[in-house]
Amino acid sequence: ETGVTQTPRHLVMGMTNKKSLKCEQHLGHNAMYWYKQSAKKPLELMFVYNFKEQTENNSVPSRFSPECPNSSHLFLHLHTLQPEDSALYLCASSQDTSSSSTDTQYFGPGTRLTVL
Amino acid sequence: QKEVEQNSGPLSVPEGAIASLNCTYSDRGSQSFFWYRQYSGKSPELIMFIYSNGDKEDGRFTAQLNKASQYVSLLIRDSQPSDSATYLCAVKETRGNNRLAFGKGNQVVVIP
Repeated sequence: ETGVTQTPRHLVMGMTNKKSLKCEQHLGHNAMYWYKQSAKKPLELMFVYNFKEQTENNSVPSRFSPECPNSSHLFLHLHTLQPEDSALYLCASSQDTSSSSTDTQYFGPGTRLTVL
Repeated sequence: QKEVEQNSGPLSVPEGAIASLNCTYSDRGSQSFFWYRQYSGKSPELIMFIYSNGDKEDGRFTAQLNKASQYVSLLIRDSQPSDSATYLCAVKETRGNNRLAFGKGNQVVVIP
């Protein structure tokens, strides 16, 4: 248990559905991240938030919409997804986004998303 | 050129042997390096990080860093079946934002 929780753990949705993924961290961190992990590909960074402010959008399609109401919670709103969006979506947190050598990212359990 | 490269082929080792995993990276300015373990169907779990040249030991795990040659490795001594997993190498990028560039991972299978 890393102190980062994600819900739901599994999600199946149609291409016309709207759903949201939730992430919560209990580590007192100030930075939160969304990653996508597809089979046979490295983890892809999607979004970065630091102190509730979005500091990075890694060219993610607009059908993915993040929201960070406070430093402990992060959401990923999904709408009109495509089958190729099926993947494991991972949330992570770290102390902040400074350049400190030892600042480490801790991952939640992930949401396994299947788009039909 | 891939930012972080790991040999993705499965590495099979007998129980009790040493598993050796290598990782090379392209960002010469990178200062911090991380090894994560990921069991099938689970999320990445931090094993250790290293930021100084040389060796860093933690239990049965040893990370080795050579910034001049731009490689970082992980040794698993006395391999156990529970070590069977995919090991991800991650490199903190110099672009800031605490970005990590990940390799594709190295699958390790420990044979009892």
